[in-house]
Amino acid sequence: AQKITQTQPGMFVQEKEAVTLDCTYDTSDQSYGLFWYKQPSSGEMIFLIYQGSYDEQNATEGRYSLNFQKARKSANLVISASQLGDSAMYFCAMREGAGGSYIPTFGRGTSLIVHP
Amino acid sequence: DSGVTQTPKHLITATGQRVTLRCSPRSGDLSVYWYQQSLDQGLQFLIQYYNGEERAKGNILERFSAQQFPDLHSELNLSSLELGDSALYFCASSAGTGGLGAKNIQYFGAGTRLSVL
Repeated sequence: AQKITQTQPGMFVQEKEAVTLDCTYDTSDQSYGLFWYKQPSSGEMIFLIYQGSYDEQNATEGRYSLNFQKARKSANLVISASQLGDSAMYFCAMREGAGGSYIPTFGRGTSLIVHP
Repeated sequence: DSGVTQTPKHLITATGQRVTLRCSPRSGDLSVYWYQQSLDQGLQFLIQYYNGEERAKGNILERFSAQQFPDLHSELNLSSLELGDSALYFCASSAGTGGLGAKNIQYFGAGTRLSVL
């Protein structure tokens, strides 16, 4: 079974609007971490935001926030006031402590296009 | 700029050959991770080193090997290359041992694009 599911292969949003990128995860661990990364067309992977499973508040980093719903096992990324430079692939990832290995797992990504 | 340096940026080689990819982690980071990104497999974790010791192993082929040196830089060696090894190879680093928590956030290099012809 997929540990990280990103159901939206592609999303379009108008500049200055908000957009939500979906991510659901599957784990039986109580302790885990969730991450979002951005990959522009140039190829590098840029860390955006982190949420720990025991964090009570949703993580925020500037225009990025993570809508963490533990019971639903979802960790959606919200980008407010989209900019043209936000056009990129976005990856959701998880680290869980099963067996102490903490091997990271990435979703297949969502392509976001911001148009003027 | 993440502070993680990968060289070379591009590598073109032939089947059956061997190549070495190099990674310098962010200053102060003790963990180095290697990933392979291909269109069909997505981003796959290969291996992690922490302060010179292997810490975790993912989907790394036997033809691939890695090591982390005393100065903390790391090398990924790919041998007997096949067409299917063509991919973007990333190195990432983190301050922590690789568990959970903010100190284990991984910062990625720009990647090495390997083309096997």
